[in-house]
Amino acid sequence: EDQVTQSPEALRLQEGESSSLNCSYTVSGLRGLFWYRQDPGKGPEFLFTLYSAGEEKEKERLKATLTKKESFLHITAPKPEDSATYLCAVQAGGSNYKLTFGKGTLLTVNP
Amino acid sequence: GAGVSQSPSNKVTEKGKDVELRCDPISGHTALYWYRQSLGQGLEFLIYFQGNSAPDKSGLPSDRFSAERTGGSVSTLTIQRTQQEDSAVYLCASSLGTGANVLTFGAGSRLTVL
Repeated sequence: EDQVTQSPEALRLQEGESSSLNCSYTVSGLRGLFWYRQDPGKGPEFLFTLYSAGEEKEKERLKATLTKKESFLHITAPKPEDSATYLCAVQAGGSNYKLTFGKGTLLTVNP
Repeated sequence: GAGVSQSPSNKVTEKGKDVELRCDPISGHTALYWYRQSLGQGLEFLIYFQGNSAPDKSGLPSDRFSAERTGGSVSTLTIQRTQQEDSAVYLCASSLGTGANVLTFGAGSRLTVL
């Protein structure tokens, strides 16, 4: 069974204080690993897709990396508007439609 | 439309009543998905449509849950004889195709069963 574990469950940072969120996964062949951002009362919003170990993607203050067992979402010099829940999901090689999600990391950035 | 629309945004019902949740996907998106987000839990896959067909219904929690999609567009998730454990946010998403395609989610329908 595919599993995704995210840590920490919650993270509180000061503005400008860089940190990383972790997503550990077990999956039968990885088709893709996805990062989404979810604001309160809204649906998840797509951030990145990673396909193979060693791949990295960046968007503004966010950088996602992938190994064979885990992915990291690095947040550099965060701002209060980066506060949200960050969700990680995997798609197994045997499925072309189902995503398995972790429970998310609630990030709070204080000014 | 520009995004995925879901209605109602909030629904409060009494235990035992039936509810219908509606999803209007992005025009041209052939794939449509329903997920459930319960408090403290990750998103749980419920069902997937390719066009009007649902190849995989295995995520539906019980036979009280059903879903349909018509015209390759609007989908309705129906929950019969609601129970308190059905309380959750029901999220709909659509994508251009399948594979590692990006899902665009709606804002969700929050269901509270009293």
